[in-house]
Amino acid sequence: NAGVTQTPKFQVLKTGQSMTLQCAQDMNHEYMSWYRQDPGMGLRLIHYSVGAGITDQGEVPNGYNVSRSTTEDFPLRLLSAAPSQTSVYFCASSPRQSLSGNTIYFGEGSWLTVV
Amino acid sequence: AQSVAQPEDQVNVAEGNPLTVKCTYSVSGNPYLFWYVQYPNRGLQFLLKYITGDNLVKGSYGFEAEFNKSQTSFHLKKPSALVSDSALYFCAVDILTGGGNKLTFGTGTQLKVEL
Repeated sequence: NAGVTQTPKFQVLKTGQSMTLQCAQDMNHEYMSWYRQDPGMGLRLIHYSVGAGITDQGEVPNGYNVSRSTTEDFPLRLLSAAPSQTSVYFCASSPRQSLSGNTIYFGEGSWLTVV
Repeated sequence: AQSVAQPEDQVNVAEGNPLTVKCTYSVSGNPYLFWYVQYPNRGLQFLLKYITGDNLVKGSYGFEAEFNKSQTSFHLKKPSALVSDSALYFCAVDILTGGGNKLTFGTGTQLKVEL
């Protein structure tokens, strides 16, 4: 089972460049989200989506765009990379929220360095 | 706003001894509480969750956690630690908002189990 797949795993960017982190899930989950992980700060929510065509901002959305054209894919775009965006990025997915609570599944992470 | 505190950056324990990783939370409403583990250069793996019911929750790899509503805590425990348990542990909280699963993470606790 593939689960949540992120690409690339490692990337080095120059300041001002743009790029897209890809995320795909094969579990037919409605909810998908992007987090960034920084030392001493845990994981912080960047953007999330509750279904195809619907996205919303999380805690730290500035400098990032997302779209959700299909249930499976949820790409994260860095518009103009800055050194402050050096981080580890995690994509996550879960089924529609229920009263029993849903487990959220994470990808393996994408290590991004902006120089 | 919901928040999670993990007061210890690092916990050291000898193999075979019991371990506790602390977590306290703050939410308005009924909390859904999670523990995730992260091994070096890997994504987050689900350990266990509390939704409702029995305050003692059992999870993967022999871990368990106790939900204490009066103390707003959800400490992770294991009766006998293994060297292979050494990893970064995250506590997270969510509430049923209808807006999608949006976990709030603690800053993480590095567990080091030594021989």
